[in-house]
Amino acid sequence: KNEVEQSPQNLTAQEGEFITINCSYSVGISALHWLQQHPGGGIVSLFMLSSGKKKHGRLIATINIQEKHSSLHITASHPRDSAVYICAVMSTTSGSARQLTFGSGTQLTVLP
Amino acid sequence: DGGITQSPKYLFRKEGQNVTLSCEQNLNHDAMYWYRQDPGQGLRLIYYSQIVNDFQKGDIAEGYSVSREKKESFPLTVTSAQKNPTAFYLCASSINTQETQYFGPGTRLLVL
Repeated sequence: KNEVEQSPQNLTAQEGEFITINCSYSVGISALHWLQQHPGGGIVSLFMLSSGKKKHGRLIATINIQEKHSSLHITASHPRDSAVYICAVMSTTSGSARQLTFGSGTQLTVLP
Repeated sequence: DGGITQSPKYLFRKEGQNVTLSCEQNLNHDAMYWYRQDPGQGLRLIYYSQIVNDFQKGDIAEGYSVSREKKESFPLTVTSAQKNPTAFYLCASSINTQETQYFGPGTRLLVL
């Protein structure tokens, strides 16, 4: 079983819809990241959070440490939101530099 | 402008050849990383460096080598010992290993 699981793997939505992408993890973490990868391959960091909720524009990220679960929400989705969204966790490995473990990503397609 | 650059964007390798992928950052970050991305899989860590003149193996270091002679540069060599090198390679950097990582645009390596 992977340490980081994302769902769904693929998601198609109509423009304007509210979108939710989920991430579950099985290890202790110090932080969770949401990343966006566009078709060209470049990756942009959207959020880093360790508790509660963060908002940036139409994007909202939440995390529940007790349930080991995070969600990424997109309000009023737009075709330019089409990308792969990746969840990554920084595990609390004692005695070593902290490393990121990545989910396999959610391919989001927003149709006009 | 501050950022991370990777070159080339596409790289072709013949069987038995070593090739070197470039990664440069002008963000004054101490930590740098190399990841490999394969279709349908999460990013996997090849090597990372916490500070100049130091580097550590990641999860899939076999067949790869790195150097960190300068703070701003972290080149990755894909050796002939790497039996399945075709992949998308991403470089990242961060202030330290506990902070947000910033990613370069990636290099796509193809074996002829």
